Formats: sequence, structure tokens, C-alpha cells
Amino acid sequence: AQTVTQSQPEMSVQEAETVTLSCTYDTSESDYYLFWYKQPPSRQMILVIRQEAYKQQNATENRFSVNFQKAAKSFSLKISDSQLGDAAMYFCAYSTGGATNKLIFGTGTLLAVQP
Amino acid sequence: AAGVIQSPRHLIKEKRETATLKCYPIPRHDTVYWYQQGPGQDPQFLISFYEKMQSDKGSIPDRFSAQQFSDYHSELNMSSLELGDSALYFCASSLNRGYYGYTFGSGTRLTVV
Repeated sequence: AQTVTQSQPEMSVQEAETVTLSCTYDTSESDYYLFWYKQPPSRQMILVIRQEAYKQQNATENRFSVNFQKAAKSFSLKISDSQLGDAAMYFCAYSTGGATNKLIFGTGTLLAVQP
Repeated sequence: AAGVIQSPRHLIKEKRETATLKCYPIPRHDTVYWYQQGPGQDPQFLISFYEKMQSDKGSIPDRFSAQQFSDYHSELNMSSLELGDSALYFCASSLNRGYYGYTFGSGTRLTVV
């Protein structure tokens, strides 16, 4: 069974600094998708970034980028120039995108941004 | 742009009552998913529908049922409610089996008293 592990329950970063959130996953599939979702206090689930497993190039969305290491089954999120609005729970998620294409979530990392 | 619409936003029910949650996916999205998120927990997959047919089932109690209608909206029916059913229930939709990502609604917060 596929699993997603986030080993950092909480992280803290100073405003304008850079922080990296870790995620590992376990799968026997060769083709899949990985996501980072942000859940602020409003509890809305917001897609931050998406990575396709067959693409070597790491995805980037403005201040957010990933370090995707397929062999190591690692998918970390780097937030550059952290802003107060980045404070939220961050979930790493996995999907096979096939017939059973549900999202499987990690347990989340609560990110605090210090002014 | 249209988003995933869930109703109601908040719902308070007593034990043993029935609740119905509604979800309106993004137009032309082919798959709808239901998730349950308890306090301090990650979202847990309940059930999904692809083109109105049930496509996958997770840890959904037998007391819960769901369906997707001809207009693509979906409903999650929960009967004999228990205190432990209190949670945030998310609906999400995707296009092309999640290839472009999953868009979540704002959720329905169910409180069972």
C-alpha cells in the first residue's frame, strides 16, 4: 500500500528566510503524481505545487519549489522569502492518477512564520 | 473561475440523526472525491465517483453512503450519527483522473452533539 510520511510535525521560519519541509513516500508504481497542499486556519485546502513522477525537472511555482528524488522516494518543499501568509499546515500528497486515483495524504507539517 | 461548492458550510446534528452533505464539482471535472478530516488529522479518503459511477472506496463506515447524480453533483448521506463523526468533510473534484490536480471545496463542518 502507498504511504506518505512527513517527519516534521512542526517547523518555524523567520519572515523572508527559506524553509524546507520534508516528505517521503512508499510506492511500487512507476507513474504517479505528488502534491503539496496548504491548509491555513480557514481549513481550505489549497494546491501549492504539483510534480509528475516521470518528469526529471523539479516543479517551481513562484517562491515554492520542490526537490524530487524519485529513487529515494523523497519530495521536499522549499519556501523561499517566507511571508506571514505562508503560515499554515502543509500536507504532502500522492496519487497514482489511474483508475484508483485518490489522494493519499501525509500527516502534515505545521509551519509558523515569525515576524 | 468556478470552484467546488459544498453545502452546508456548517451542520449540527444530534446523535442517531441523519445528515446529508452536498457537493457541486467544477464543470467538466470527471471525478468527485469525499474526504473526512478529524481535528488535528490529515484528510482520510472516503469514496470517489468517476463519471457518476463509484470508482473507489476507502474507510467509509457502512452507515455512510454516497452517490453522484446526472447533473454531476454528489451527496454524502450519513445515518445513525455518532459523536466520532464530528469532522470536516471535504469534497474535491478532478479532471482526467487527477492529472491536473485536485480542487477542494471549502468543506462542511459537521458537529454531532
